[in-house]
Amino acid sequence: QLQLQESGPGLVKPSETLSLTCSVSGGSISSSNYYWGWIRQPPGKGLEWIGNIYYSGSTYYNASLKSRVTISVDTSKNQFSLKLSSVTAADTAVYYCARYHIPRGWFDPWGQGTLVTVSS
Amino acid sequence: DIQMTQSPSSVSASVGDRVTITCRASRGISNWLAWYQQKPGKAPRLLIYAASSLQSGVPSRFSGSGSGTDFTLTISSLQPEDFATYYCQEANNSPQVTFGGGTKVETK
Repeated sequence: QLQLQESGPGLVKPSETLSLTCSVSGGSISSSNYYWGWIRQPPGKGLEWIGNIYYSGSTYYNASLKSRVTISVDTSKNQFSLKLSSVTAADTAVYYCARYHIPRGWFDPWGQGTLVTVSS
Repeated sequence: DIQMTQSPSSVSASVGDRVTITCRASRGISNWLAWYQQKPGKAPRLLIYAASSLQSGVPSRFSGSGSGTDFTLTISSLQPEDFATYYCQEANNSPQVTFGGGTKVETK
């Protein structure tokens, strides 16, 4: 059974870079049938898609975050990562990673999520 | 960008009620729509994909319908474990996606 697990600092200072990693177990990140995605949820608010990455490294980002987001993949470690630069308090959220089914798709399964707080 | 509008934003219902949630796309998305359930402190759970296909393991009281711009998620007989927030997600320009704002199903 495929499982995803987010990891990374729970506290980031304003203007710094948020970095998270999603470790995939129970299956290969190199499957041709899926992308791998990041989604976030500010406290008490709805879901916001951040971006998706294919095992080849092809990426798609939310236009509203594109200038600050980098998603990368490490197939040797079966992991993919998120970097969000120049963070502010508005970036405080629970960050989820998930598998995205292609061609026209949905997210399943999801990681449990990790809360990242932006504060000095 | 496609905008996804869910209505209502919240609904009060009782166990046994039929509950219908609507998701409207700002332009046609064929049937490229998914529905998720989220309980407090938990990750979202896929319920429906391709507008009307039931994810394995999801109870048959959940159903989805629609195509184009208007979609519905129906819970035929609300159970205690169904009180949660529900989200739609479009994938017309896959793998770029957009989520709806959510609908909270609360106890009456």
